[in-house]
Amino acid sequence: NAGVTQTPKFRILKIGQSMTLQCAQDMNHNYMYWYRQDPGMGLKLIYYSVGAGITDKGEVPNGYNVSRSTTEDFPLRLELAAPSQTSVYFCASSYQGLGTGELFFGEGSRLTVL
Amino acid sequence: AQTVTQSQPEMSVQEAETVTLSCTYDTSESDYYLFWYKQPPSRQMILVIRQEAYKQQNATENRFSVNFQKAAKSFSLKISDSQLGDAAMYFCAYRRPNSGYALNFGKGTSLLVTP
Repeated sequence: NAGVTQTPKFRILKIGQSMTLQCAQDMNHNYMYWYRQDPGMGLKLIYYSVGAGITDKGEVPNGYNVSRSTTEDFPLRLELAAPSQTSVYFCASSYQGLGTGELFFGEGSRLTVL
Repeated sequence: AQTVTQSQPEMSVQEAETVTLSCTYDTSESDYYLFWYKQPPSRQMILVIRQEAYKQQNATENRFSVNFQKAAKSFSLKISDSQLGDAAMYFCAYRRPNSGYALNFGKGTSLLVTP
Protein backbone atom coordinates (compact mmCIF):
# COMPACT_ATOMS: atom_id res chain seq x y z
CA ASN A 1 0.00 0.00 0.00
CA ALA A 2 1.29 3.45 -0.93
CA GLY A 3 -0.96 5.30 1.53
CA VAL A 4 -1.49 8.93 0.47
CA THR A 5 0.42 10.03 -2.61
CA GLN A 6 0.85 13.68 -3.59
CA THR A 7 2.31 15.05 -6.80
CA PRO A 8 4.28 17.11 -7.54
CA LYS A 9 6.55 17.42 -4.51
CA PHE A 10 7.93 20.77 -5.62
CA ARG A 11 6.66 23.40 -8.05
CA ILE A 12 7.44 26.98 -8.90
CA LEU A 13 4.67 29.05 -10.44
CA LYS A 14 4.53 32.54 -11.85
CA ILE A 15 1.87 34.93 -10.62
CA GLY A 16 -1.38 34.34 -12.47
CA GLN A 17 -0.61 30.77 -13.54
CA SER A 18 -2.84 27.87 -12.58
CA MET A 19 -2.03 24.35 -11.54
CA THR A 20 -3.46 21.23 -9.91
CA LEU A 21 -1.98 19.38 -6.99
CA GLN A 22 -2.83 15.72 -7.23
CA CYS A 23 -3.70 13.50 -4.28
CA ALA A 24 -4.56 9.83 -4.28
CA GLN A 25 -5.11 7.32 -1.48
CA ASP A 26 -5.37 3.55 -1.68
CA MET A 27 -6.74 2.85 1.80
CA ASN A 28 -10.42 3.14 0.83
CA HIS A 29 -10.82 6.06 3.18
CA ASN A 30 -14.05 7.98 2.87
CA TYR A 31 -12.79 11.35 4.13
CA MET A 32 -10.07 13.45 2.52
CA TYR A 33 -8.55 16.84 3.33
CA TRP A 34 -6.28 19.54 2.01
CA TYR A 35 -4.19 21.60 4.41
CA ARG A 36 -1.62 24.30 3.90
CA GLN A 37 1.31 24.86 6.24
CA ASP A 38 2.92 28.26 6.52
CA PRO A 39 6.04 28.81 8.67
CA GLY A 40 5.20 29.08 12.35
CA MET A 41 1.47 28.77 11.70
CA GLY A 42 0.64 25.08 11.96
CA LEU A 43 -1.71 23.53 9.42
CA LYS A 44 -4.82 25.25 8.14
CA LEU A 45 -7.72 23.41 6.50
CA ILE A 46 -8.45 24.47 2.91
CA TYR A 47 -11.12 21.99 1.78
CA TYR A 48 -12.39 18.61 2.81
CA SER A 49 -14.53 15.84 1.36
CA VAL A 50 -16.70 13.28 3.15
CA GLY A 51 -17.14 11.08 0.10
CA ALA A 52 -17.18 11.02 -3.68
CA GLY A 53 -19.10 13.99 -5.03
CA ILE A 54 -19.22 15.83 -1.68
CA THR A 55 -16.82 18.64 -0.83
CA ASP A 56 -16.91 21.62 1.50
CA LYS A 57 -14.82 24.62 2.47
CA GLY A 58 -12.43 24.75 5.38
CA GLU A 59 -10.89 27.81 7.02
CA VAL A 60 -8.88 29.17 4.07
CA PRO A 61 -10.60 28.19 0.78
CA ASN A 62 -10.14 31.41 -1.19
CA GLY A 63 -8.13 30.91 -4.37
CA TYR A 64 -8.61 27.14 -4.43
CA ASN A 65 -11.05 24.62 -5.81
CA VAL A 66 -11.45 20.89 -5.32
CA SER A 67 -13.36 17.99 -6.79
CA ARG A 68 -13.89 14.41 -5.70
CA SER A 69 -15.12 12.24 -8.53
CA THR A 70 -13.79 9.00 -7.02
CA THR A 71 -13.09 7.73 -3.51
CA GLU A 72 -9.36 7.58 -4.27
CA ASP A 73 -8.62 11.02 -5.77
CA PHE A 74 -8.93 14.53 -4.37
CA PRO A 75 -7.14 17.11 -6.55
CA LEU A 76 -6.63 20.71 -5.43
CA ARG A 77 -6.81 23.39 -8.11
CA LEU A 78 -5.07 26.74 -7.77
CA GLU A 79 -6.46 29.39 -10.08
CA LEU A 80 -4.55 32.61 -10.76
CA ALA A 81 -1.67 31.87 -8.40
CA ALA A 82 -0.63 34.63 -5.99
CA PRO A 83 2.47 35.00 -3.78
CA SER A 84 0.22 34.47 -0.73
CA GLN A 85 -0.28 30.89 -1.93
CA THR A 86 3.39 30.09 -1.44
CA SER A 87 3.21 27.31 1.12
CA VAL A 88 3.55 23.60 1.76
CA TYR A 89 0.38 21.70 0.95
CA PHE A 90 -0.63 18.47 2.60
CA CYS A 91 -3.29 16.04 1.53
CA ALA A 92 -4.68 13.68 4.16
CA SER A 93 -7.27 10.96 4.42
CA SER A 94 -9.10 9.12 7.17
CA TYR A 95 -11.76 6.54 7.79
CA GLN A 96 -14.48 8.20 9.81
CA GLY A 97 -16.76 5.56 11.13
CA LEU A 98 -15.76 3.14 13.80
CA GLY A 99 -12.15 4.27 13.61
CA THR A 100 -10.38 6.68 15.92
CA GLY A 101 -10.19 9.43 13.32
CA GLU A 102 -6.47 9.43 12.73
CA LEU A 103 -5.48 11.38 9.63
CA PHE A 104 -2.93 9.84 7.28
CA PHE A 105 -0.84 12.42 5.47
CA GLY A 106 0.97 12.60 2.17
CA GLU A 107 4.55 13.84 2.03
CA GLY A 108 3.57 17.37 1.14
CA SER A 109 3.98 19.59 -1.91
CA ARG A 110 6.08 22.72 -1.69
CA LEU A 111 4.69 25.45 -3.92
CA THR A 112 6.45 28.75 -4.59
CA VAL A 113 4.69 31.57 -6.46
CA LEU A 114 7.00 34.24 -7.87
CA ALA B 1 -14.11 27.63 17.57
CA GLN B 2 -12.00 24.81 18.91
CA THR B 3 -8.60 26.44 19.26
CA VAL B 4 -5.38 24.62 20.12
CA THR B 5 -2.55 26.47 21.83
CA GLN B 6 1.05 25.37 22.10
CA SER B 7 2.82 27.95 24.20
CA GLN B 8 6.37 26.68 23.68
CA PRO B 9 7.72 27.55 20.22
CA GLU B 10 10.99 25.74 20.98
CA MET B 11 12.21 23.23 23.52
CA SER B 12 15.56 21.57 24.09
CA VAL B 13 16.42 18.29 25.81
CA GLN B 14 19.56 16.27 26.28
CA GLU B 15 19.75 12.76 24.99
CA ALA B 16 18.32 10.20 27.46
CA GLU B 17 16.51 12.91 29.42
CA THR B 18 12.77 13.55 29.67
CA VAL B 19 10.92 16.50 28.18
CA THR B 20 7.29 17.63 28.33
CA LEU B 21 5.56 19.59 25.59
CA SER B 22 2.49 21.59 26.54
CA CYS B 23 -0.85 21.91 24.79
CA THR B 24 -4.14 23.47 25.78
CA TYR B 25 -7.37 23.51 23.81
CA ASP B 26 -10.75 25.09 23.90
CA THR B 27 -13.97 23.18 23.31
CA SER B 28 -17.52 22.92 24.54
CA GLU B 29 -17.80 19.27 23.52
CA SER B 30 -17.68 16.48 26.09
CA ASP B 31 -16.46 13.70 23.82
CA TYR B 32 -13.57 14.24 21.42
CA TYR B 33 -10.17 13.01 20.30
CA LEU B 34 -6.78 14.61 20.78
CA PHE B 35 -3.59 13.83 18.93
CA TRP B 36 0.12 14.54 18.87
CA TYR B 37 1.83 14.48 15.48
CA LYS B 38 5.54 14.61 14.80
CA GLN B 39 7.01 16.35 11.74
CA PRO B 40 10.71 15.60 11.21
CA PRO B 41 12.79 17.53 8.64
CA SER B 42 11.51 15.13 5.99
CA ARG B 43 8.19 17.00 6.35
CA GLN B 44 6.16 13.79 6.79
CA MET B 45 3.40 14.08 9.42
CA ILE B 46 3.59 11.07 11.73
CA LEU B 47 1.06 10.18 14.40
CA VAL B 48 2.72 9.88 17.81
CA ILE B 49 -0.20 9.26 20.14
CA ARG B 50 -3.97 9.73 20.47
CA GLN B 51 -6.31 10.20 23.42
CA GLU B 52 -10.06 9.73 23.62
CA ALA B 53 -11.62 12.24 25.97
CA TYR B 54 -14.02 9.72 27.50
CA LYS B 55 -11.08 7.59 28.65
CA GLN B 56 -9.66 8.64 32.00
CA GLN B 57 -6.48 6.65 31.52
CA ASN B 58 -3.64 8.54 29.91
CA ALA B 59 -2.46 7.10 26.60
CA THR B 60 1.03 5.61 26.34
CA GLU B 61 3.06 4.52 23.32
CA ASN B 62 6.49 3.21 24.28
CA ARG B 63 8.56 6.28 25.33
CA PHE B 64 5.69 8.67 24.63
CA SER B 65 2.90 9.36 27.09
CA VAL B 66 0.35 12.08 27.67
CA ASN B 67 -0.97 13.89 30.69
CA PHE B 68 -4.61 14.52 29.85
CA GLN B 69 -6.40 16.90 32.19
CA LYS B 70 -9.94 17.17 30.84
CA ALA B 71 -11.22 19.77 33.27
CA ALA B 72 -8.21 21.99 32.62
CA LYS B 73 -8.35 21.26 28.87
CA SER B 74 -4.70 20.37 28.91
CA PHE B 75 -2.98 17.68 26.87
CA SER B 76 0.79 17.54 27.36
CA LEU B 77 3.20 15.10 25.73
CA LYS B 78 6.02 13.52 27.71
CA ILE B 79 8.98 12.01 25.88
CA SER B 80 11.14 9.78 28.04
CA ASP B 81 14.71 8.66 27.30
CA SER B 82 14.93 11.22 24.47
CA GLN B 83 16.78 10.14 21.34
CA LEU B 84 18.39 12.16 18.56
CA GLY B 85 15.68 10.89 16.22
CA ASP B 86 13.04 12.61 18.35
CA ALA B 87 14.19 16.01 17.07
CA ALA B 88 11.26 17.41 15.11
CA MET B 89 8.29 19.74 15.16
CA TYR B 90 5.50 18.43 17.35
CA PHE B 91 1.91 19.42 16.72
CA CYS B 92 -0.99 19.02 19.08
CA ALA B 93 -4.34 18.53 17.35
CA TYR B 94 -8.02 18.39 18.25
CA ARG B 95 -10.55 16.50 16.14
CA ARG B 96 -13.46 18.72 15.22
CA PRO B 97 -17.00 17.41 15.62
CA ASN B 98 -17.87 19.05 12.30
CA SER B 99 -15.96 20.01 9.12
CA GLY B 100 -15.59 16.35 8.25
CA TYR B 101 -13.84 15.58 11.54
CA ALA B 102 -10.82 17.53 10.37
CA LEU B 103 -8.06 18.23 12.86
CA ASN B 104 -7.36 21.67 14.33
CA PHE B 105 -3.64 22.03 14.84
CA GLY B 106 -1.59 24.14 17.19
CA LYS B 107 1.33 26.15 15.84
CA GLY B 108 3.82 23.51 16.89
CA THR B 109 6.81 23.12 19.19
CA SER B 110 10.26 22.62 17.73
CA LEU B 111 12.17 20.04 19.78
CA LEU B 112 15.96 20.04 19.73
CA VAL B 113 17.78 17.01 21.11
CA THR B 114 21.39 17.54 22.11
CA PRO B 115 23.97 14.76 22.58
